[in-house]
Amino acid sequence: AQRVTQPEKLLSVFKGAPVELKCNYSYSGSPELFWYVQYSRQRLQLLLRHISRESIKGFTADLNKGETSFHLKKPFAQEEDSAMYYCALDAGGTSYGKLTFGQGTILTVHP
Amino acid sequence: GAVVSQHPSWVICKSGTSVKIECRSLDFQATTMFWYRQFPKQSLMLMATSNEGSKATYEQGVEKDKFLINHASLTLSTLTVTSAHPEDSSFYICSARDFLAQSSYNEQFFGPGTRLTVL
Repeated sequence: AQRVTQPEKLLSVFKGAPVELKCNYSYSGSPELFWYVQYSRQRLQLLLRHISRESIKGFTADLNKGETSFHLKKPFAQEEDSAMYYCALDAGGTSYGKLTFGQGTILTVHP
Repeated sequence: GAVVSQHPSWVICKSGTSVKIECRSLDFQATTMFWYRQFPKQSLMLMATSNEGSKATYEQGVEKDKFLINHASLTLSTLTVTSAHPEDSSFYICSARDFLAQSSYNEQFFGPGTRLTVL
């Protein structure tokens, strides 16, 4: 079975500092990886997915199949980035669409 | 973007009663909806996949007789927690995929969640 691990429950940085939210996964196949974000009192929303290889709100994430990681990075954090971030995996195949979530990381960006 | 609503946003009920939670896709059709459960300060756990016009498929360890799912139309799925007990208290979240989306990956859109408290 697949598994997603986010080792940091809490992460605090100062505005303008680089930030990296770690995500590791275990799955024998070729999964699709996502980052979801939940701002205070808002619903979960998609931030980015590895297949699109895009930068959203300054965030990027590269899928490293060798290290089975999908870390989320931003060179200069902003206060509005403070939120809960979830890494998620879609195993595909018969499980297409079913997401396995990591435990989540609460990011706090201090002024 | 696509919007998914849930009703009610919160509910308090007595032990032994049943509670129905609705999940609606407001501006798109969803052949598939997913139901998740989230305990405080924990991650989302997939409970079941709701398929329009067919039976839901449940994840291992989820009691299908306890959590009844009905997906009667392309815009509505319901989750009924039968004979609720305090241990069923949780945050229930649904998501839906846009059936007609042209993107290479059918993005899931999440509802705001329903807080269930069983006394």
